[in-house]
Amino acid sequence: GAGVSQTPSNKVTEKGKYVELRCDPISGHTALYWYRQSLGQGPEFLIYFQGTGAADDSGLPNDRFFAVRPEGSVSTLKIQRTERGDSAMYLCASSRDREGGYTFGSGTRLTVV
Amino acid sequence: DAKTTQPTSMDCAEGRAANLPCNHSTISGNEYVYWYRQIHSQGPQYIIHGLKNNETNEMASLIITEDRKSSTLILPHATLRDTAVYYCIVRVATGRQLTFGSGTQLTVLP
Repeated sequence: GAGVSQTPSNKVTEKGKYVELRCDPISGHTALYWYRQSLGQGPEFLIYFQGTGAADDSGLPNDRFFAVRPEGSVSTLKIQRTERGDSAMYLCASSRDREGGYTFGSGTRLTVV
Repeated sequence: DAKTTQPTSMDCAEGRAANLPCNHSTISGNEYVYWYRQIHSQGPQYIIHGLKNNETNEMASLIITEDRKSSTLILPHATLRDTAVYYCIVRVATGRQLTFGSGTQLTVLP
């Protein structure tokens, strides 16, 4: 597609529930990144995929967070047993190579009530 | 990756050049300077990046000092739509992630 697509754009869930956030990167972009952004702060790195594999997951806050990219294209960020502190904007980005700029999606606003 | 320091906020008159400074005094020889901006409620947008030489594209110019310890992003004719948070990031070319700081809130005034 022309840009990075993230769905849903907004998600409200109850504390303790499981959520999945989807990212559809630009076709041909092998690198895919997930970030999380709280209000008033810059985005924080969560995980990076090169192809199908998670090359760096050092930013995932705990084992309730998991992400997959089974075919090297679409990625899903999964959050188990959601907590109110997980409320944030979740951003996905892709790039063709490591040097170039990233293209970010518009994000998914997750609210845990 | 080296740390960067940016002013918290800046104002600029519409139609004037906006000059956004960034200090990266601990930058290494293989680290690039990247600029992104984030308009309210949108994902960050790549603007420009450079290593040593000044760079220009359709959005902006990047001026890097000779010692590479600081840089300036220049928006030549700022418009109201340029109001955003601007992030200066230093990263090795083979680095896998961008580390965002707090950025500079640029407000373009009519």
